[in-house]
Amino acid sequence: AQKITQTQPGMFVQEKEAVTLDCTYDTSDQSYGLFWYKQPSSGEMIFLIYQGSYDEQNATEGRYSLNFQKARKSANLVISASQLGDSAMYFCAMRYTGTASKLTFGTGTRLQVTL
Amino acid sequence: GAVVSQHPSRVICKSGTSVKIECRSLDFQATTMFWYRQFPKKSLMLMATSNEGSKATYEQGVEKDKFLINHASLTLSTLTVTSAHPEDSSFYICSARDSGRFNEQFFGPGTRLTVL
Repeated sequence: AQKITQTQPGMFVQEKEAVTLDCTYDTSDQSYGLFWYKQPSSGEMIFLIYQGSYDEQNATEGRYSLNFQKARKSANLVISASQLGDSAMYFCAMRYTGTASKLTFGTGTRLQVTL
Repeated sequence: GAVVSQHPSRVICKSGTSVKIECRSLDFQATTMFWYRQFPKKSLMLMATSNEGSKATYEQGVEKDKFLINHASLTLSTLTVTSAHPEDSSFYICSARDSGRFNEQFFGPGTRLTVL
C-alpha cells in the first residue's frame, strides 16, 4: 500500500534562514507524482510544488524547491529565505497512477518562523 | 491559478439535521472532484471521489447513506451530511481536478461544520 511519512511534527526556523521539511514515501509503482501543500490557519490548502517520478531535475518554484531522491524514496521540501508568512502546516502528498488522481497525504509538519 | 469555492465556510446545526456543502470550480471544468475530511491537527482523509454524471466512489469506511454526494455539472459537486451528529463535526475540504495541469488538484477553502 502507498504511504507518505512526515517525521517532523513541528519545526522552527529563523527568518531569512532556509529550512528542509522531510517526506518519505512508499510505493511499488513506477509512475507517481509528489506534491507539497501549505495550510495556513485559515484552513485553505495552497499548492506549492510538484515532482513527477520521471522528472530528472528537481522541481523549483520561487523560494520552494523539492529535493527528490528517488532511490531513497524521499521528496523533501526546501524553503529558502524563510518569511514570517511561511508559518503554517505543510503536507506532503502522493498521487499514483490508476487512481483517478487520488492523493494520499502525510501527517503534516507545523513550521514556525521566528524573528 | 484555478479557483475553487466552497459554501458555506462555516455552519452550525442541531443534531439530526442535514447539511449541504457546495464545491464549485470557478474558472475551469472539473469532471472529478474530491471530498476530504480533516480533524483538528490531523491530516486530510479522502472520503469520496465525485464524478460528473455518475455515482461517487467512496473510500472504505465512509458511509454512503450518511455522506451523500452529487456532481450534477462540470463545475459543481455537493456533499450532504444527513442526520448530522456531534461526531460529524469536522473541517470538510473539497478539491477539483484540472486535467490540463498535471492532473493537479485545486482545493476549496473548506467548510467547518459544528453539530450541537
